[in-house]
Amino acid sequence: DTGVSQNPRHKITKRGQNVTFRCDPISEHNRLYWYRQTLGQGPEFLTYFQNEAQLEKSRLLSDRFSAERPKGSFSTLEIQRTEQGDSAMYLCASSLGGGVGKYNEQFFGPGTRLTVL
Amino acid sequence: GESVGLHLPTLSVQEGDNSIINCAYSNSASDYFIWYKQESGKGPQFIIDIRSNMDKRQGQRVTVLLNKTVKHLSLQIAATQPGDSAVYFCAENSDMRFGAGTRLTVKP
Repeated sequence: DTGVSQNPRHKITKRGQNVTFRCDPISEHNRLYWYRQTLGQGPEFLTYFQNEAQLEKSRLLSDRFSAERPKGSFSTLEIQRTEQGDSAMYLCASSLGGGVGKYNEQFFGPGTRLTVL
Repeated sequence: GESVGLHLPTLSVQEGDNSIINCAYSNSASDYFIWYKQESGKGPQFIIDIRSNMDKRQGQRVTVLLNKTVKHLSLQIAATQPGDSAVYFCAENSDMRFGAGTRLTVKP
């Protein structure tokens, strides 16, 4: 399967702990996006990368959140000092850049479901 | 059956009927729109896209209509099947914003 993969698929943690998620995009895709989705809502944009450069961050991405894509391939999203409000599905997507604006057909991974107790 | 975007987030149709899901977008400068389908427990999946220089685009059993005058987008699904049951989102390229979506339920 050459789609977008995310690990872990589920993470349960205690409030105050740090967590890190990984996303492996489709290999030829130079753009990578992170979203957060809560129950009954659409995905909320967090940040995106073009190659290794982080080009945009949402106001939703507080100082406790950091994302990296060091070699322009896989990406990690770290949440420090987790809070119960961080409980959500974290989705990663990738796309080929160079199209219209910031948006091109994005291919989504299955997501990482985070539960903060 | 027909929904009215965010004000009617659920749509229930009989198998074989046509479905129409509506979406109002916010930014008149948006020039690219995508419809996604999200099944339970999965990430969104691309269905069809349309650029602002078009009014209509057809795919397999799906048609997207774009009305730039009123900033309205619709997704038409012909001969709806149980496998079409999912949440459908429209997205615009101005700020990567997704709406809350419309849940489509297909009754056998």
